[in-house]
Amino acid sequence: EPEVTQTPSHQVTQMGQEVILRCVPISNHLYFYWYRQILGQKVEFLVSFYNNEISEKSEIFDDQFSVERPDGSNFTLKIRSTKLEDSAMYFCASVRGDNQPQHFGDGTRLSIL
Amino acid sequence: QQQVKQSPQSLIVQKGGISIINCAYENTAFDYFPWYQQFPGKGPALLIAIRPDVSEKKEGRFTISFNKSAKQFSLHIMDSQPGDSATYFCAASKMGGNQFYFGTGTSLTVIP
Repeated sequence: EPEVTQTPSHQVTQMGQEVILRCVPISNHLYFYWYRQILGQKVEFLVSFYNNEISEKSEIFDDQFSVERPDGSNFTLKIRSTKLEDSAMYFCASVRGDNQPQHFGDGTRLSIL
Repeated sequence: QQQVKQSPQSLIVQKGGISIINCAYENTAFDYFPWYQQFPGKGPALLIAIRPDVSEKKEGRFTISFNKSAKQFSLHIMDSQPGDSATYFCAASKMGGNQFYFGTGTSLTVIP
């Protein structure tokens, strides 16, 4: 069964540094998402992406965040200048179409020192 | 603003028992309600989902009950097994919408 893959599984970065989290969504999916989950807490929506542009974003997704689909397969989340509070699990998800189930990757654990 | 409220926060059930997790929502525009199961170190995985045109959906030991008038839906796990021990999240989305709104999660422990 096709799955969403995320790399790296764990990223350790110094505060203030830029970090790029990578995702390969399922190939025939059209909608792409980033979520984050602070340890022990709920899954929080960051951003959705469709047709090569952001379609919706949350208050968390400020100017420090950006997303890109540089080619036909990768979907990336960039955090320009990381803060301690950015430490969390970041999940990528993709959906084939409207009101279809979201398929999640296994996440990248981001640790900011 | 909490779009989807989930309870309880944690649940301990004996093996063979019934686990029940409840969610409530406010936005009547929501029309897709999935439940996700998450094991430690893994991403949420879709367990079962329902649309508001039916009041119940059953898949194996998992059943969603949906009450549109009360804006509530619940997950029932019959004959709970230790392997069901995980965190369960309810979620909701609306037609044509992009965002899934997640509940706060329920940590289920099934004891042998």
